[in-house]
Amino acid sequence: AQKITQTQPGMFVQEKEAVTLDCTYDTSDPSYGLFWYKQPSSGEMIFLIYQGSYDQQNATEGRYSLNFQKARKSANLVISASQLGDSAMYFCAMREPAPGTARQLTFGSGTQLTVLP
Amino acid sequence: EAGVTQFPSHSVIEKGQTVTLRCDPISGHDNLYWYRRVMGKEIKFLLHFVKESKQDESGMPNNRFLAERTGGTYSTLKVQPAELEDSGVYFCASSHLANYGYTFGSGTRLTVV
Repeated sequence: AQKITQTQPGMFVQEKEAVTLDCTYDTSDPSYGLFWYKQPSSGEMIFLIYQGSYDQQNATEGRYSLNFQKARKSANLVISASQLGDSAMYFCAMREPAPGTARQLTFGSGTQLTVLP
Repeated sequence: EAGVTQFPSHSVIEKGQTVTLRCDPISGHDNLYWYRRVMGKEIKFLLHFVKESKQDESGMPNNRFLAERTGGTYSTLKVQPAELEDSGVYFCASSHLANYGYTFGSGTRLTVV
């Protein structure tokens, strides 16, 4: 079963508008972390935002915010005031507990965002 | 600080040949991960090093893949012999033992023809 689901293969948004990228996840563990990464055409994976399962408030980082709805198991990324440079592939990922030290991430299939001038 | 460095950035090889990918993590990061994205599918975990030891190699697809991390510094991922289905982008990431932030490299795009 898919652990991370991103249902939007592609999204378009007008410059300066806000856009929401969907992400739902599946885990039975109460302790987990959710990440969003951006991959521009240059290829590097850029960390955007993190939400821990026990965090009381939704994470925010500048123009990025995470709409965390724990009961619905969703962790949507909201980008406010879109810029042309936001055009990229966006990946949602989850880290679940595992024995040992820092854990691996499970990724969704990604959403290709295109910002229109 | 320097980021995670991967090279080559691109590699095109023929089926049956050998390719070695290299990853230099951020200095001081004990944890090093390899991931790959094949044919536009999800990014999949391959393996995890803690220093020079393999912590988890459950994602390695088969014994044609060999990863090493000599001395707990840089890591190599060798594919021998390469098959067509190995084509994709191979990412490396590192993190410090004490926190859970991951830094990814720019990836190596491998094309097997």
